Amino acid sequence: KAGVTQTPRYLIKTRGQQVTLSCSPISGHRSVSWYQQTPGQGLQFLFEYFSETQRNKGNFPGRFSGRQFSNSRSEMNVSTLELGDSALYLCASREETFSGNTIYFGEGSWLTVV
Amino acid sequence: GDSVTQMEGPVTLSEEAFLTINCTYTATGYPSLFWYVQYPGEGLQLLLKATKADDKGSNKGFEATYRKETTSFHLEKGSVQVSDSAVYFCALSPYGGSQGNLIFGKGTKLSVKP
Repeated sequence: KAGVTQTPRYLIKTRGQQVTLSCSPISGHRSVSWYQQTPGQGLQFLFEYFSETQRNKGNFPGRFSGRQFSNSRSEMNVSTLELGDSALYLCASREETFSGNTIYFGEGSWLTVV
Repeated sequence: GDSVTQMEGPVTLSEEAFLTINCTYTATGYPSLFWYVQYPGEGLQLLLKATKADDKGSNKGFEATYRKETTSFHLEKGSVQVSDSAVYFCALSPYGGSQGNLIFGKGTKLSVKP
């Protein structure tokens, strides 16, 4: 079974631009969540989507948004980029089993804002 | 709110040494607990998990036991290898993982010398 797939892996954007990142979860997983990783703030939860609905949201400004499609694939968008948005953005999908839930991560998208 | 505290790094060990990375948590519900590992330039890989008190998670020689009385989930390995060099993250999922948001510790960087 293929893992969580994120594209693009690396990208460079200019301040003020916007960016869209894509994530395909593990087949059969309906929940997709996004995290931002920076050296200063560590790993922070952005939001979670389940069956095309945002179910949970972290403490990020409205410039950060996302959506999920009917095939469970998800995108996140950051508008009006700031230098501080430079980070590794990680997508994760959740496996639901009787023994509990497990969250699997993709390789991430490295965003540099210049 | 819920939180995770793990020992500060970096930790430097010689090959075949014993490893302990301390992790304690604060949670209002019944969280699931996880250890993830991140190799340089990569995403997060699930190392092990435990979903209820006294559960022991284990994988690749690593172990951690969910201790509700001490609110701890310390990671141990009897004999580390150079290939174990990475950053290790302790995380909790509130409400047993029924939602996709994980709360992470700040990470502990492990370097193993030959």
